[in-house]
Amino acid sequence: AQRVTQPEKLLSVFKGAPVELKCNYSYSGSPELFWYVQYSRQRLQLLLRHISRESIKGFTADLNKGETSFHLKKPFAQEEDSAMYYCALLSGGFKTIFGAGTRLFVKA
Amino acid sequence: ETGVTQTPRHLVMGMTNKKSLKCEQHLGHNAMYWYKQSAKKPLELMFVYSLEERVENNSVPSRFSPECPNSSHLFLHLHTLQPEDSALYLCASSQGGGTQETQYFGPGTRLLVL
Repeated sequence: AQRVTQPEKLLSVFKGAPVELKCNYSYSGSPELFWYVQYSRQRLQLLLRHISRESIKGFTADLNKGETSFHLKKPFAQEEDSAMYYCALLSGGFKTIFGAGTRLFVKA
Repeated sequence: ETGVTQTPRHLVMGMTNKKSLKCEQHLGHNAMYWYKQSAKKPLELMFVYSLEERVENNSVPSRFSPECPNSSHLFLHLHTLQPEDSALYLCASSQGGGTQETQYFGPGTRLLVL
């Protein structure tokens, strides 16, 4: 079955600390993976996608096919990073499967 | 207004009512999506339209009826809903589908079914 799992509902870190939001997927084909973010009172928006191998707002994510993971990382968290983060899998064509989301809270 | 807009932003309806949600995108995209976001579930894809043709129908009950009259507008017609249908309904659009097509989301319509 195609599935995206984000094991942590809430992650709380101090400002300046490293942060890692976990994402594991189940998919038989070659996965296309994304991270979306929703800041308070804003709409859901794309943060980054794995094939671009980009770093957005200091965040990176590496696809590990062996571990079927796509964890989101940032070496030094900022207060403005506090948001809801969703990992998503493009399951062919137009179908995107979202994880349940992880709420990141960065404390001052 | 730019981007993806949704109206109404909030809706309260009884189980016997008929209402419609509207989504409009000003991005020149060819694909539009309806998602349901419940309090305790992941974001669930409901329908996808590409070039005004439905390409995904994710086992959604028939009390939800989508309509896509053109590539800029998407409707979700609601009738005889149940209280468990109360949720945030999100619309999104993308240039196309397939690999690496970024979806742009609207602000959502928060629906309460009494």
